[in-house]
Amino acid sequence: AQSVSQHNHHVILSEAASLELGCNYSYGGTVNLFWYVQYPGQHLQLLLKYFSGDPLVKGIKGFEAEFIKSKFSFNLRKPSVQWSDTAEYFCAVNDRYSSASKIIFGSGTRLSIRP
Amino acid sequence: DAGVIQSPRHEVTEMGQEVTLRCKPISGHNSLFWYRQTMMRGLELLIYFNNNVPIDDSGMPEDRFSAKMPNASFSTLKIQPSEPRDSAVYFCASSSEWTGSGNTEAFFGQGTRLTVV
Repeated sequence: AQSVSQHNHHVILSEAASLELGCNYSYGGTVNLFWYVQYPGQHLQLLLKYFSGDPLVKGIKGFEAEFIKSKFSFNLRKPSVQWSDTAEYFCAVNDRYSSASKIIFGSGTRLSIRP
Repeated sequence: DAGVIQSPRHEVTEMGQEVTLRCKPISGHNSLFWYRQTMMRGLELLIYFNNNVPIDDSGMPEDRFSAKMPNASFSTLKIQPSEPRDSAVYFCASSSEWTGSGNTEAFFGQGTRLTVV
């Protein structure tokens, strides 16, 4: 069965620190990969996505993620976080070629930034 | 496009009452998802539809929950009777199938915050 694991439940950093959030998925087929962000009191919004090409994907607000197929990983990174990055981050995956594929979300990582 | 539209944004109801949440997906999207989010359980997929047909409802907590999608532009999630433990934020999301362009991500609505007292 498809699954997504986010091992960090809560990460606390100071401003300007570097960030890396882990994401591993379990699926045997071809997948699309996503990172979503949910700011406090808001809905989930897409940060970035990977479906083909360069495995290093750049998203909004200085975020990037690297797809490592051999490790089934899609970790999210940012070189220098800001207080405004305080949010919950969700990794997600779906089957690329299935017309009826559901999007599987990880359990989320809460990121708290100390000013 | 206005995005995924959910109504109401907030709902407060008494235990035992029927609650209906509504969702209008993005035009042209053929998949629709209902999620529930709570502090305790995180983000849970309740049910999803593809081309208006329910594909997987294994996440629906119990028979008190039902969902319909009578056409491509409208879906409802109904709870009858409602209980305090149903209090949560309910999100609707929609997506389109792979066409080679890579646009299969889910777009979320603003959510409905349900409080059952």
